Amino acid sequence: GEDVEQSLFLSVREGDSSVINCTYTDSSSTYLYWYKQEPGAGLQLLTYIFSNMDMKQDQRLTVLLNKKDKHLSLRIADTQTGDSAIYFCAESMDSSYKLIFGSGTRLLVRP
Amino acid sequence: KAGVTQTPRYLIKTRGQQVTLSCSPISGHRSVSWYQQTPGQGLQFLFEYFSETQRNKGNFPGRFSGRQFSNSRSEMNVSTLELGDSALYLCASSPGGGLDTQYFGPGTRLTVL
Repeated sequence: GEDVEQSLFLSVREGDSSVINCTYTDSSSTYLYWYKQEPGAGLQLLTYIFSNMDMKQDQRLTVLLNKKDKHLSLRIADTQTGDSAIYFCAESMDSSYKLIFGSGTRLLVRP
Repeated sequence: KAGVTQTPRYLIKTRGQQVTLSCSPISGHRSVSWYQQTPGQGLQFLFEYFSETQRNKGNFPGRFSGRQFSNSRSEMNVSTLELGDSALYLCASSPGGGLDTQYFGPGTRLTVL
């Protein structure tokens, strides 16, 4: 079945690293995504990883994928107050354009 | 390139009415998907269109429908509105030629009174 789970809340101090975790159930997932949503806004694509990769780095963002445990994480280095938002993990399968989203993790960055 | 645009941004309707939301994809993108976001159910897939054809559909009642025009612009329609249809409706576009990433618009906030 299709299910994506995330912890609901994370609070970090400005300048620290943030790690947001996600687990998914469908082993046929092809792409895994991280989106950011700020209040009153749509979803901003942050990064994505193809299922045959273990890691992807993009500036302050590092995505780690553990296919065996179906675990995905997003690390944000040197977290800033502007990073405060809700972060969504999502998966897509095969050639479908249907994204399955987690419930979102609210990241609060304290000054 | 301009991003995905959605109109209107905000809408207030009453129960029983119908509503039409519009989405213009990124230039050159041929696939448009629609999602509903509510506090209770989170983000749920409604449907996806490519070259004027619906390719995928989520688990929503028939009151929710959509279409895509030859210029890839898409509309979604909700008939006989219910209070539970109050949500943020998000549109996403992608090139549509294979496994590609989806880029979202700012959404339309629909409130049903």
